Amino acid sequence: NAGVTQTPKFQVLKTGQSMTLQCAQDMNHNSMYWYRQDPGMGLRLIYYSASEGTTDKGEVPNGYNVSRLNKREFSLRLESAAPSQTSVYFCASSPDRGYEQFFGPGTRLTVL
Amino acid sequence: GEDVEQSLFLSVREGDSSVINCTYTDSSSTYLYWYKQEPGAGLQLLTYIFSNMDMKQDQRLTVLLNKKDKHLSLRIADTQTGDSAIYFCAESTSGGSYIPTFGRGTSLIVHP
Repeated sequence: NAGVTQTPKFQVLKTGQSMTLQCAQDMNHNSMYWYRQDPGMGLRLIYYSASEGTTDKGEVPNGYNVSRLNKREFSLRLESAAPSQTSVYFCASSPDRGYEQFFGPGTRLTVL
Repeated sequence: GEDVEQSLFLSVREGDSSVINCTYTDSSSTYLYWYKQEPGAGLQLLTYIFSNMDMKQDQRLTVLLNKKDKHLSLRIADTQTGDSAIYFCAESTSGGSYIPTFGRGTSLIVHP
């Protein structure tokens, strides 16, 4: 039982490049989330998926897209990376909204 | 302004008690959480309290909730160096679709 896994762990991009961050959970959770964490800013919600087949915008969705591929997987795509997207990205899952969230180890992204 | 506010830093001596404070603005909060983040890792749920409770105790952890003042605190008894981490307060509300809103986190430093 791996919990929530994220790939890659580290990534360096040039401005304008695209990439997809992968997230998978093996706990049969309905809800999945993407957050970004910046120094002194706490966690800010980018997108979430309350259940398979649905996605909704969070607090800071601009510049990102998501796909809930199936119940296990929820990916985050940066179509044209910008330096302002340099951050640590966390994926989380929960049985449903309002329940304890389980977090992955994070992806540290630097955009030059 | 922020929905959930915390002080950014707390320094304590090993063996002392630590008290981390949090204020929130939404009176319809249903759950209030404390998460812990160790260096280089994702967040882990420490404890939570329902909004109809005043206090919850779990081993060295005591959570106090003052609904009138919208104030939440986490007390760690006999603080150890292994407690050094960032502690996040979070609330979930029906208006926020029960998705937690996180504070900026309090860095707890425990020194000998």
